[in-house]
Amino acid sequence: SQTIHQWPATLVQPVGSPLSLECTVEGTSNPNLYWYRQAAGRGLQLLFYSVGIGQISSEVPQNLSASRPQDRQFILSSKKLLLSDSGFYLCAWSVSRTTNNEQFFGPGTRLTVL
Amino acid sequence: AQSVTQPDIHITVSEGASLELRCNYSYGATPYLFWYVQSPGQGLQLLLKYFSGDTLVQGIKGFEAEFKRSQSSFNLRKPSVHWSDAAEYFCAVGEGRTGGFKTIFGAGTRLFVKA
Repeated sequence: SQTIHQWPATLVQPVGSPLSLECTVEGTSNPNLYWYRQAAGRGLQLLFYSVGIGQISSEVPQNLSASRPQDRQFILSSKKLLLSDSGFYLCAWSVSRTTNNEQFFGPGTRLTVL
Repeated sequence: AQSVTQPDIHITVSEGASLELRCNYSYGATPYLFWYVQSPGQGLQLLLKYFSGDTLVQGIKGFEAEFKRSQSSFNLRKPSVHWSDAAEYFCAVGEGRTGGFKTIFGAGTRLFVKA
């Protein structure tokens, strides 16, 4: 069966510090991968998606970047965090090359920038 | 452009009462529709999905949803709510085409259940 992992689960970082959040998927190959941010009391905002290694699409201009160094690894980064980067970050995957858009979500990372 | 509207930010129902969460979508073709549930501090879990066929879809945990093309709606229902149903619910629409992979989520409806 497929599983998706995110770490860390929680993170408190000072403004201006770097960020690296990691997401890995097991039990599937060549998944589509996604990073979402969920601000307090708001819905999900798609930040990045990837359809393959090294292929990253950004949905909104921001202080963050994403990379996919391996097929089932998706990393969210920042060189210098802003207060507005605080939120709940969710990684998700879906089966590629089908008409099924069902997404499977990780447990999330709660990021607080102070 | 696709969009999803969940008009109710939060809803409170009594345990044992029926529930309906509203969802309206905007999409030019036949949409792929989903309902997800999120417990506090957790990821999202799929409740049910509609791709084609019977417009009344059954999901997990006793939930169902009905696709109404004429109203561009996909409302979620449950006949009797349990306290454990308290969570946030997200309606979503996906690209209904091969290779399509982007899903648009609504802002969510938070469900409170009172004893």
